[in-house]
Amino acid sequence: QQPVQSPQAVILREGEDAVINCSSSKALYSVHWYRQKHGEAPVFLMILLKGGEQKGHDKISASFNEKKQQSSLYLTASQLSYSGTYFCGTEPKLSNDYKLSFGAGTTVTVRA
Amino acid sequence: AAGVIQSPRHLIKEKRETATLKCYPIPRHDTVYWYQQGPGQDPQFLISFYEKMQSDKGSIPDRFSAQQFSDYHSELNMSSLELGDSALYFCASSLGTAKLNYGYTFGSGTRLTVV
Repeated sequence: QQPVQSPQAVILREGEDAVINCSSSKALYSVHWYRQKHGEAPVFLMILLKGGEQKGHDKISASFNEKKQQSSLYLTASQLSYSGTYFCGTEPKLSNDYKLSFGAGTTVTVRA
Repeated sequence: AAGVIQSPRHLIKEKRETATLKCYPIPRHDTVYWYQQGPGQDPQFLISFYEKMQSDKGSIPDRFSAQQFSDYHSELNMSSLELGDSALYFCASSLGTAKLNYGYTFGSGTRLTVV
């Protein structure tokens, strides 16, 4: 089942921060985050495997709350290059399938 | 570094025609996934292969079929094309499927337009 992302879109000025949330109705094994620029392929940012895990990629970081089946992506001191659509991909814990289901995406626009 | 190669990049077909999309995964990646992405939509899982065997199947129409060959490249065959098949088709590869400890690497996609 598809995870739910929020917000759908966010507009930032350079240097501002934003948070993107991803939640699932199923217990999760992993949460992935990808960024896709218009007309391009999604690019892998990070994977979170354990509850409470936090990771960072430049000034983009994420956390995973396993109990709440939620993950959040934090964009800190945003740069113009952060613009794009961010997708979370989730893999359920109790499952024999190994594919990711993606959320509907959050479009981030960073303006100068 | 080698990436996932998809061909062709763009394809225009008429209704009821057939299309074949190709995907060459990153060397040593043993798993290939196919996703369909409509305009403004999230990627929708179609089918995946692990070690040349189909490992999972999603919302793939019966008109579509796919396989993974001995060299690990994969082909998505689409027949009796419909206007609604127009989309960006991504192939992604990863290392292993025993619960995904690795991210996907996506190819640049094939943009299929059915007219």
